[in-house]
Amino acid sequence: AQSVTQLDSQVPVFEEAPVELRCNYSSSVSVYLFWYVQYPNQGLQLLLKYLSGSTLVKGINGFEAEFNKSQTSFHLRKPSVHISDTAEYFCAVTGGLGGAQKLVFGQGTRLTINP
Amino acid sequence: NAGVTQTPKFQVLKTGQSMTLQCAQDMNHEYMSWYRQDPGMGLRLIHYSVGAGITDQGEVPNGYNVSRSTTEDFPLRLLSAAPSQTSVYFCASRNPGAGWHSPLHFGNGTRLTVT
Repeated sequence: AQSVTQLDSQVPVFEEAPVELRCNYSSSVSVYLFWYVQYPNQGLQLLLKYLSGSTLVKGINGFEAEFNKSQTSFHLRKPSVHISDTAEYFCAVTGGLGGAQKLVFGQGTRLTINP
Repeated sequence: NAGVTQTPKFQVLKTGQSMTLQCAQDMNHEYMSWYRQDPGMGLRLIHYSVGAGITDQGEVPNGYNVSRSTTEDFPLRLLSAAPSQTSVYFCASRNPGAGWHSPLHFGNGTRLTVT
């Protein structure tokens, strides 16, 4: 079975500073990895995903993530954040026999951007 | 396209009451699912369906029933509400024909309070 751990429940940063949101996963099979974003009072929307190939994936709004198989990590980064990036971010994993039907989410990281 | 539509947006129930949370999608997605979101716990899968007439349990199915009579609709039933079911509920769908890595499309959620 897959599991996901997001190492920080809250991350405060100043506007235009870089940010990294950390995610580690556990799985015995090949996986697909995702980052979703949830803006206040909305559902989740896909930020980016890793399927295979290049370990650096780029998503919307200037975010990118790097897949590291040896460290079982999929950290999300942005070089310069904006106030509009204030949201909750979820790392998720799916894959494997039967597991492809179940997307498992991490606990979420609340990103707060201070002016 | 409306995407994934959830009703109601808010609901307050007394312990022991029953209700149905509605979910409809107009994207002809075969896969639909229900998640609950609780602070510090991320999203947890309640039930999912891979097509009309087919449903299966997720991580936290107790206290909830589902059925899938049409491709478009996937209602979630609480037969006897309990305070532990106070949560925000999200319905999500995706098109498995595009691969099991295809992104989930989320509704805007139903905020349920059980007193």
